[in-house]
Amino acid sequence: QKEVEQDPGPLSVPEGAIVSLNCTYSNSAFQYFMWYRQYSRKGPELLMYTYSSGNKEDGRFTAQVDKSSKYISLFIRDSQPSDSATYLCAMRGGSSNTGKLIFGQGTTLQVKP
Amino acid sequence: NAGVTQTPKFRVLKTGQSMTLLCAQDMNHEYMYWYRQDPGMGLRLIHYSVGEGTTAKGEVPDGYNVSRLKKQNFLLGLESAAPSQTSVYFCASSYVAGVGKTQYFGPGTRLLVL
Repeated sequence: QKEVEQDPGPLSVPEGAIVSLNCTYSNSAFQYFMWYRQYSRKGPELLMYTYSSGNKEDGRFTAQVDKSSKYISLFIRDSQPSDSATYLCAMRGGSSNTGKLIFGQGTTLQVKP
Repeated sequence: NAGVTQTPKFRVLKTGQSMTLLCAQDMNHEYMYWYRQDPGMGLRLIHYSVGEGTTAKGEVPDGYNVSRLKKQNFLLGLESAAPSQTSVYFCASSYVAGVGKTQYFGPGTRLLVL
């Protein structure tokens, strides 16, 4: 069983839809949770960063962490065609002194005009 | 700032050939990482370095070697390339691990081994 599970999709939605992307994990030591966005043939770029449990909002994006369920989510409101990309969740433990991240497989999202 | 850069962008190798991928960062980051990305597998850590002159194995280190002679550079070597090493390789860097510190990625190197 992988430490981090993420449905690879693809997920196709119409423009303006609310998108929900999710990851589950098994290691209760994870404390830092990230979402990266990766456009086709580009490197991943950090989108959202959350420490421990709770919500974080940035414009149209909201990241949620539920440590009791070992479940994290990324919500995209009013989705745009420019949001079409692969979204990778990543996480690491709080005591890590190497900064190593564990990544999900990535979910491919297509937003249709 | 250029951020994280990778050289070359694309390369074709024959089985058994060797090559070195170069990663450079101008953010004065201590930590650097090499990943490979394959369809359905996500990003897998090959090797990493927590400072100049130090390296360590990641999740999939076999068939690769690395060196970090200068803080800003992290080299990934393939001594004898195999078709299984066909992949997209990403380098990343970060400040020392801590709250708010995360990894910045380069644009990737696409490698095809025939």
